[in-house]
Amino acid sequence: NAGVMQNPRHLVRRRGQEARLRCSPMKGHSHVYWYRQLPEEGLKFMVYLQKENIIDESGMPKERFSAEFPKEGPSILRIQQVVRGDSAAYFCASIGTVNTGELFFGEGSRLTVL
Amino acid sequence: QKEVEQNSGPLSVPEGAIASLNCTYSDRGSQSFFWYRQYSGKSPELIMSIYSNGDKEDGRFTAQLNKASQYVSLLIRDSQPSDSATYLCAVNMNTGFQKLVFGTGTRLLVSP
Repeated sequence: NAGVMQNPRHLVRRRGQEARLRCSPMKGHSHVYWYRQLPEEGLKFMVYLQKENIIDESGMPKERFSAEFPKEGPSILRIQQVVRGDSAAYFCASIGTVNTGELFFGEGSRLTVL
Repeated sequence: QKEVEQNSGPLSVPEGAIASLNCTYSDRGSQSFFWYRQYSGKSPELIMSIYSNGDKEDGRFTAQLNKASQYVSLLIRDSQPSDSATYLCAVNMNTGFQKLVFGTGTRLLVSP
């Protein structure tokens, strides 16, 4: 019973390095969402992807952040030249093709920027 | 005005009491609403969904929706210390595709 799988669970980077976060959706799901949660704050929508398509990236910062969901393999959230303000928990969620609106979340990747 | 608003709390209730969590939203066209529970350091877990006006009950949980008032609530009966968590209200915005917008969450503390 594979749920949404995220890795790494914890990632430490120094300022200026790159962070890559990976997400494999639930079996049978082809839609992936990325959310960011800053300490003591709510979940902020970042991007919504289908296989090989970015559907909505309105929540993505204009610079340094990118996301992809290739035909094969996991979805990747990439953060270039990380800064301390990027320290947060990044959650991936998936949804099936049935339009229920219910998102199922992975355990999250916690990024710490030193 | 925030798209989804919740009182951050903490809301403190004694064990066995009813906890009432509230949420308002700005998009009048929203059609589906969700409550997630998040324990500290963990991921959000879906506990209730509601799509039409009125009440929806599931065990000790009751979700209430009033679209005219743009208000959704969650009642937890017979609250237990294990219910202590942050409760996130999420609204599916009327964007043509699924996009859940979350409130900042209400922290619930249930004391034994």
